[in-house]
Amino acid sequence: GESVGLHLPTLSVQEGDNSIINCAYSNSASDYFIWYKQESGKGPQFIIDIRSNMDKRQGQRVTVLLNKTVKHLSLQIAATQPGDSAVYFCAENRWGSQGNLIFGKGTKLSVKP
Amino acid sequence: DTEVTQTPKHLVMGMTNKKSLKCEQHMGHRAMYWYKQKAKKPPELMFVYSYEKLSINESVPSRFSPECPNSSLLNLHLHALQPEDSALYLCASSASPTFNSPLHFGNGTRLTVT
Repeated sequence: GESVGLHLPTLSVQEGDNSIINCAYSNSASDYFIWYKQESGKGPQFIIDIRSNMDKRQGQRVTVLLNKTVKHLSLQIAATQPGDSAVYFCAENRWGSQGNLIFGKGTKLSVKP
Repeated sequence: DTEVTQTPKHLVMGMTNKKSLKCEQHMGHRAMYWYKQKAKKPPELMFVYSYEKLSINESVPSRFSPECPNSSLLNLHLHALQPEDSALYLCASSASPTFNSPLHFGNGTRLTVT
């Protein structure tokens, strides 16, 4: 679940395992979703996106799943590596609402060697 | 390396100072954005420029003044800031302001107001 205040939800995985990061979005009118990775001292880095007419999209070592029925988004990272350690944000945008990218609270992924 | 360049990387300013943050992109993107990010929080939208015109102002105090001199540059002018304005200021750009496309972020300016 999500926490409030200064504590980010944290996911700790062993190197080589698969990671699943979950996100619940709020607006049923949202039709475009993005996952970002943010490393310490850097800006958010685009990972993968998906439009609402799809329920799955794959990239290199990453898969995004979209369940519009329950307004749920997930990011799967295969064979997690230490370089994957970062904070991951999901973001939703409603078509035509330029720039109104709404970010989720974020999940901190820690990869143990 | 990011394709959106922000300067300076760090800035310390007093409450009576005037300073500017700068952002540059050469991807031909026609939408540019300013976001503010506090520690352990997600980025929050401040301003959107669409074809060099201000299209969204998320009720940002007037002590923050954006400017878009041309399609590649975006500035954020700062004046009479408060300590609570200390944060990471992120610039982003996207290919189109009307069709969904990912935002590409710079690495931000870490601002400290004393």
